[in-house]
Amino acid sequence: EVQLVQSGPEVKRPGATVKISCSASGYTFTDYSIHWVRQAPGKGLEWMGLLDPANGERIYAEKFRGRVTITADASTDTAYMEVTSLTSDDRAVYYCATSSGGISVPTFNYWGQGSLVTVSS
Amino acid sequence: QSVLTQPPSVSAAPGQRVTISCSGRTSNIGNNYVSWYRQLPRTAPKLLIFENNRRPSGIPDRFSGSKSGTSATLGITGLQTGDEADYYCATWDAGLSAVVFGGGTKVTVL
Repeated sequence: EVQLVQSGPEVKRPGATVKISCSASGYTFTDYSIHWVRQAPGKGLEWMGLLDPANGERIYAEKFRGRVTITADASTDTAYMEVTSLTSDDRAVYYCATSSGGISVPTFNYWGQGSLVTVSS
Repeated sequence: QSVLTQPPSVSAAPGQRVTISCSGRTSNIGNNYVSWYRQLPRTAPKLLIFENNRRPSGIPDRFSGSKSGTSATLGITGLQTGDEADYYCATWDAGLSAVVFGGGTKVTVL
């Protein structure tokens, strides 16, 4: 059974950095790309970026370039997303998801449970 | 403002059929596959349709997808109370080099 287990909720001050983990199991880690999607309270889904563990390719949404870094540790089948310079606008649930399609064929077949990030002074 | 346009809400009685549209442009829907997701309250989204019209194993054939030009459509037949959820379309946008989502459509079963 494929599972993506994310790290727990975080509370951060404005200007701080948060790093969320996504531990994968039940499949070969390099078979699927890992994507990060966030959802602000009461809002829709927003794609942030992806990492292809097979070749290390990373693509970020323009909005997040320079502020978001996605990494992976193949030895532990874990992906990470770091977001810097947090503001109240970053308050959201952050999801990791695998995609079984190619880079340009988003097919989010498995999702993590979500990690709530709260930014408050 | 989402790159892909969905109606904010649709509704129908139990047993009826609803369709949800997803409108884009050549750089996204026009030249790329569309996938659809259902999100129940306080849960992660779930894949319903991929590559325009294919269903993952375990998704009933009450759910269907189609694409024509720069628009895609999700159909749900035999509507059930358990279908009340938010539904999202997604695709790749070659101009943005990014995955884009629709704004989401809330389905209400009357």
